[in-house]
Amino acid sequence: DAGVIQSPRHEVTEMGQEVTLRCKPISGHNSLFWYRQTMMRGLELLIYFNNNVPIDDSGMPEDRFSAKMPNASFSTLKIQPSEPRDSAVYFCASRLRDGYASPLHFGNGTRLTVT
Amino acid sequence: KQEVTQIPAALSVPEGENLVLNCSFTDSAIYNLQWFRQDPGKGLTSLLLIQSSQREQTSGRLNASLDKSSGRSTLYIAASQPGDSATYLCAVEARSQGNLIFGKGTKLSVKP
Repeated sequence: DAGVIQSPRHEVTEMGQEVTLRCKPISGHNSLFWYRQTMMRGLELLIYFNNNVPIDDSGMPEDRFSAKMPNASFSTLKIQPSEPRDSAVYFCASRLRDGYASPLHFGNGTRLTVT
Repeated sequence: KQEVTQIPAALSVPEGENLVLNCSFTDSAIYNLQWFRQDPGKGLTSLLLIQSSQREQTSGRLNASLDKSSGRSTLYIAASQPGDSATYLCAVEARSQGNLIFGKGTKLSVKP
């Protein structure tokens, strides 16, 4: 089990540029979550998918953020255009949704810095 | 709206001490509560998951309890070791949502 794989690990970009974060969930997991972590606000849910379908995107800050899950083994989070306040660590997590007793498995995150 | 609070924000103890981390939540209608560990520069690792019908879960030196009616959970760490140094987060899955709401964590430092 390779765990949840995120890329890149670090991303430094200039304000206004497009940023794409990638995630490969654990094979067999059917729920995928994107979280953002900052010192001030802690971990915040951005969006989650069940069976590749977006269920709740109320945490997506604004239209600059978009997420897709074209298949069960891949998801992307895109920010366009990026702004300095988007600087944070972005985590992807997955779990097997067969009830409510399944723990969440996190990737190691992508540290995004927007200058 | 569910809110999760963890107190204290930071804790420093000498090696060998038993300790308790606290987590409180505002809405008792939860499906489960999970405790996670986060090491610097890493993702979160699930330690224990307590279903709403359970009162506690144990794994090695860790014991987590859940009191839904009072909106509280504790994580007990026995005989702490320097390797236990990390940030510990609790998260609840509310009935009205399909995702986890996290506390801001307690940063634990165990001194040799």
